[in-house]
Parts: sequence; structure tokens; C-alpha cells
Amino acid sequence: GAGVSQTPSNKVTEKGKYVELRCDPISGHTALYWYRQSLGQGPEFLIYFQGTGAADDSGLPNDRFFAVRPEGSVSTLKIQRTERGDSAVYLCASSLYVGGGETQYFGPGTRLLVL
Amino acid sequence: GENVEQHPSTLSVQEGDSAVIKCTYSDSASNYFPWYKQELGKRPQLIIDIRSNVGEKKDQRIAVTLNKTAKHFSLHITETQPEDSAVYFCAASRAQGGSEKLVFGKGTKLTVNP
Repeated sequence: GAGVSQTPSNKVTEKGKYVELRCDPISGHTALYWYRQSLGQGPEFLIYFQGTGAADDSGLPNDRFFAVRPEGSVSTLKIQRTERGDSAVYLCASSLYVGGGETQYFGPGTRLLVL
Repeated sequence: GENVEQHPSTLSVQEGDSAVIKCTYSDSASNYFPWYKQELGKRPQLIIDIRSNVGEKKDQRIAVTLNKTAKHFSLHITETQPEDSAVYFCAASRAQGGSEKLVFGKGTKLTVNP
């Protein structure tokens, strides 16, 4: 079946602009996660959703970052007033349930470059 | 919060040799430890995981061991092949009632030389 998909695959923007990154989880998966991966580093947790609600947003670096999942499926990560330090690959993952160490399946990522 | 340390950062082996990657974690409440393989420009893919109620798990050429007392876990790859070349990440989380977020190590770049 279809895996996690993310759009766009690449995004180039200018400092100060607003960007939206989209994630389509595996159908039927209730949990959705956002991570950020800088070059040469492991993924770093940002936020995760159980259904429509954000269960843990402790990884969001500041209030310029916001994410929604209004219908419990597709999620959008929104970054306001982008800064050069926001440049990274933004990864989305989904899992069937939350609890008990469910496998998180990752999408291909969106490579964000802020000039 | 949880901190995961991973060693070595790079590892080069000859085809057919074994490779071992080690990770330590700081949060004694962590109970789920997956390993992901990431090829250049691709998504991380789960290769094996272990939960804190077992000490070892094997899947063909791959095995993971967990020492809860020492708070470390290791990935073992036997009979390495060139297609095993990739970056490997360990991770830890407090599954079941805690936060489901994965805390990753910094990765190990494995190169298998033919």
C-alpha cells in the first residue's frame, strides 16, 4: 500500500517568508509525528498528534512553528517568518496506534532551504 | 529529558565481516528502542526494534541486544554486504503511557567495502 507522503519534496524560500509543509500519513494511522533532520544529525522530534489533537508539542523550537491535523489524517506544519537556521529536512512519520512502541513509518521528507 | 549517545560515528568494514554499533540512553523509563537505516537522500526505515522486556532479538543477519541495568543497547550486523552501507540511527522512547516521541542518536555511517 501507499506509504507516508510529503509535499513539496523541496522548498526554497527567502528569510522572513511563511511556508507550509504537508504530510499524508498511511491510511488508518491514528498517530502522526513531525521531526526535523539537520545535515549529519539524527531526526529531532517536533510534535505528534493522536487523532486531531497535539499530544506532545514539546519539540517545537518557538512560536513561529505550528502544526495542525484538523480531520485526523493530513497534517500541515506551518513556519512563520522563516530564518536561515530553519533550513533542514522536515520528516513526517505515522503509526497505527499510540502506545506500546508502535512502528513509526517515515515519509521521504521536505527539504527546506531558507535563503 | 532523554539523551541518546551513539558510537562510533563512522564504521568501515570489509564485506563479510561483522559490524557493531552501540548506543546509551539516560532515561530509565525508556522502554522501546528501534533502529533505523537511512540511505543517502532517502527516508529512515525501521530495520529492527526491541522492547525493554527482552534482552535480545534477531532477524536473519541483524540482532539487537539491550542491557537495561547499564542503559545501553547495540546493533549487530553479521556477514555484511555492500548494500548494508548506510547511516544507522538508534532511538529510544517511553512507549505505553509516556511520550511516544523518538529520541535519536546522531547516527553511524557504515561503509562495507567489497
